Amino acid sequence: SQTIHQWPATLVQPVGSPLSLECTVEGTSNPNLYWYRQAAGRGLQLLFYSVGIGQISSEVPQNLSASRPQDRQFILSSKKLLLSDSGFYLCAWTLSSRGGGYTFGSGTRLTVV
Amino acid sequence: EDQVTQSPEALRLQEGESSSLNCSYTVSGLRGLFWYRQDPGKGPEFLFTLYSAGEEKEKERLKATLTKKESFLHITAPKPEDSATYLCAVRGGYNKLIFGAGTRLAVHP
Repeated sequence: SQTIHQWPATLVQPVGSPLSLECTVEGTSNPNLYWYRQAAGRGLQLLFYSVGIGQISSEVPQNLSASRPQDRQFILSSKKLLLSDSGFYLCAWTLSSRGGGYTFGSGTRLTVV
Repeated sequence: EDQVTQSPEALRLQEGESSSLNCSYTVSGLRGLFWYRQDPGKGPEFLFTLYSAGEEKEKERLKATLTKKESFLHITAPKPEDSATYLCAVRGGYNKLIFGAGTRLAVHP
């Protein structure tokens, strides 16, 4: 069966420090991968998506970047965190070849102090 | 531009008091409307996908319906464990999922 792993679950980082959040998918091939951010009490904002290895599309200009070094691995990074980067980060996947649903990871709560 | 609007923002119900949540959408060619449930501090949990006007799906006390411009999530005789944020989303270009802001539901005993 397909599963999605996201870590760490929580992270407290000082302003100006780097960031690396990792997401991996198991049990499928060539998934579409997505990074979302959710501010407190708000909906999900799409940050990046990828339809294949090495292919990244950005939805909003920001202090973050994403990479997809392997088919089932999606990484969210920052060189220098800002206070405004705090939030709940969620990774998700779906298969473009199917009209099915999207599966979300358990999320990372990032607090920049 | 694809857009999703959910109402109300928050809803408080007594246990057993049925109600409906609304999701209005604007999308060029609907390729799926999704309902998710999200508990605090957790990732969204998939509930339903609807593809065409008139389609309905049910799961326990929840029933989702779809028209050409909106979707409703009907909650029948809710229980306290139904308390959560309910998110609506549409599939846009490149299979991007575009979310509304959600409805926070609180069911009190």
